[in-house]
Amino acid sequence: AQSVSQHNHHVILSEAASLELGCNYSYGGTVNLFWYVQYPGQHLQLLLKYFSGDPLVKGIKGFEAEFIKSKFSFNLRKPSVQWSDTAEYFCAVPADSWGKLQFGAGTQVVVTP
Amino acid sequence: GAVVSQHPSWVICKSGTSVKIECRSLDFQATTMFWYRQFPKQSLMLMATSNEGSKATYEQGVEKDKFLINHASLTLSTLTVTSAHPEDSSFYICSARSENQYNSPLHFGNGTRLTVT
Repeated sequence: AQSVSQHNHHVILSEAASLELGCNYSYGGTVNLFWYVQYPGQHLQLLLKYFSGDPLVKGIKGFEAEFIKSKFSFNLRKPSVQWSDTAEYFCAVPADSWGKLQFGAGTQVVVTP
Repeated sequence: GAVVSQHPSWVICKSGTSVKIECRSLDFQATTMFWYRQFPKQSLMLMATSNEGSKATYEQGVEKDKFLINHASLTLSTLTVTSAHPEDSSFYICSARSENQYNSPLHFGNGTRLTVT
């Protein structure tokens, strides 16, 4: 089954700094990848997804991710973070044909003013 | 957009009692819903896949007799934690997809915080 791993568990950075969160997937075949975000006290929301085509995917709120097949990576980036980006970020991949998601461990991002 | 509603948002119960959590898709039909559990500072762990009109599929290590799942309609799935114990205290989250494709994004409920005393 496919799985994903996230390298950073906690990230603290200042406003306007650039953000990059690592995500590696395990499967070498057809890959669908997701990044979800969970703001404090809120439910999970989809940031962006990759199915095929352009490996650079644009998401909501200025986020983007790049699918690099040779590195089995799907890192999430934002050039300039805001305090409101404080949240937990999860990389995910479908684990079977029914579509259940396998989540990474998550990365807690704290943006300081 | 597609909305998944979960109720209650939090519940406190005594050890040995049962608690039912509802998950509803408000503006779409969901043949399949998923139940996750999230421990503090940990990722979401899939508990079971709930299928409308049939038995749920449980993940390895999840007790099906303890976590009863009923998916009686295309818009409602329920998770009942039976004979709850303090170790069942957790954050339970349901999700569903509005499109019938395995790789379409999931829509998540707000979660239910269960505390067993």
